[in-house]
Amino acid sequence: DIQMTQSPSSLSASAGDRVTITCRASQSISSYLNWYQQRPGKAPKLLIYDASSLQSGVPPRFSGSGSGTDFTLTISSLQPEDFATYYCQQSYSTPETFGQGTKVEIK
Amino acid sequence: QLQLQESGPGLVKPSQTLSLTCTVSGGFISSGNYYWNWIRQPAGKGLEWIGRIYTSGSTYYCPSLRSRVTMSVDTYKNQFSLKVSSVTAADTAVYYCARGSAEGYDYWGQGSRVTVSS
Repeated sequence: DIQMTQSPSSLSASAGDRVTITCRASQSISSYLNWYQQRPGKAPKLLIYDASSLQSGVPPRFSGSGSGTDFTLTISSLQPEDFATYYCQQSYSTPETFGQGTKVEIK
Repeated sequence: QLQLQESGPGLVKPSQTLSLTCTVSGGFISSGNYYWNWIRQPAGKGLEWIGRIYTSGSTYYCPSLRSRVTMSVDTYKNQFSLKVSSVTAADTAVYYCARGSAEGYDYWGQGSRVTVSS
């Protein structure tokens, strides 16, 4: 199985801050990396697919980068509705594994 | 707009079989190059992929659950289903169905909370 490791596990930030979350795969997954946002009590929502492609309807303050084993999700200016948990997920091979999540909290 | 909705018992006794169905509306389950997934999330924890099924009936299951999981699809009813046998408290979770491709899971159900308890 491919292991996905996110860092940090949690972070505190203020509205307007630039936030960066990293995800590392245990082996190369090319660009088969997706990012999700999950608000409490809700289903995850796809933000970024193929490492850097913005899902339709997602605000452009979200961006993704990386390939191979190292990936980044950046929120350019944190908005109140962005306080949530973020997960990376590899779709390179089965089982399709997720990172453990990064919780973005209000400072 | 595609919508997915999970349904099934919220309480299952230990050693019994958990059964859930995902009904797809707003589109045909057999349209496009997609596969149909089950993903679960224990309370306060992360996401675990259980497996996926294609409308051809082909399946891929998470190795750790493979011996207990069965998925099926009914294209006429626009539904796919999950069965997990011999459940224990460790199977207590919110279970999500989701549409998937190599570009991620783009549509999700709202989730079905399943508790395993006597």
